[in-house]
Amino acid sequence: AAGVIQSPRHLIKEKRETATLKCYPIPRHDTVYWYQQGPGQDPQFLISFYEKMQSDKGSIPDRFSAQQFSDYHSELNMSSLELGDSALYFCASSPGGQNTEAFFGQGTRLTVV
Amino acid sequence: GEDVEQSLFLSVREGDSSVINCTYTDSSSTYLYWYKQEPGAGLQLLTYIFSNMDMKQDQRLTVLLNKKDKHLSLRIADTQTGDSAIYFCAESKYSSASKIIFGSGTRLSIRP
Repeated sequence: AAGVIQSPRHLIKEKRETATLKCYPIPRHDTVYWYQQGPGQDPQFLISFYEKMQSDKGSIPDRFSAQQFSDYHSELNMSSLELGDSALYFCASSPGGQNTEAFFGQGTRLTVV
Repeated sequence: GEDVEQSLFLSVREGDSSVINCTYTDSSSTYLYWYKQEPGAGLQLLTYIFSNMDMKQDQRLTVLLNKKDKHLSLRIADTQTGDSAIYFCAESKYSSASKIIFGSGTRLSIRP
């Protein structure tokens, strides 16, 4: 079965650089969530989109932005990267806005040096 | 406010049952989840329970919900070495694309 695809799987950036993470939801899933998981931490909700509109916002820094495109894939744009942004970034998708079936991707591990 | 709490560690003997506990504070939580995360891997949805249920069983997994005490538990019968992972309790409300709030995770280790 198709799963949530995230790319890249690993990314190394220097401080003050920018990064773009991509998420391709499960087919027919129109809702996407982004989470950040720091080392030894629980996943923290960043932002979500439903039908290409932002639906909820969590602890996403102002340096980050995200959007969902017409094909439902989503991108998380991160600027002025800081060492503390090093984390595993998960994307999840669910159908019809119903988060009972939210499935997570494998994550993108971002390392800021 | 939203808060989900779990104990950080649990060690059980192979073949025994594991019981992982979780408490949450938001009485308006509608869905409660258990996710499994193996080292370096993503989050795998194990099971979820709707707040008007008090029990759900799925093969070796049994979820018990005490809504009055806001207490959720996950029982894994006949624990195997492959069950070693971090187990996250999570909750969300019933709304369009409502965020899922995670607990800090319980690291389950299996001893022979």
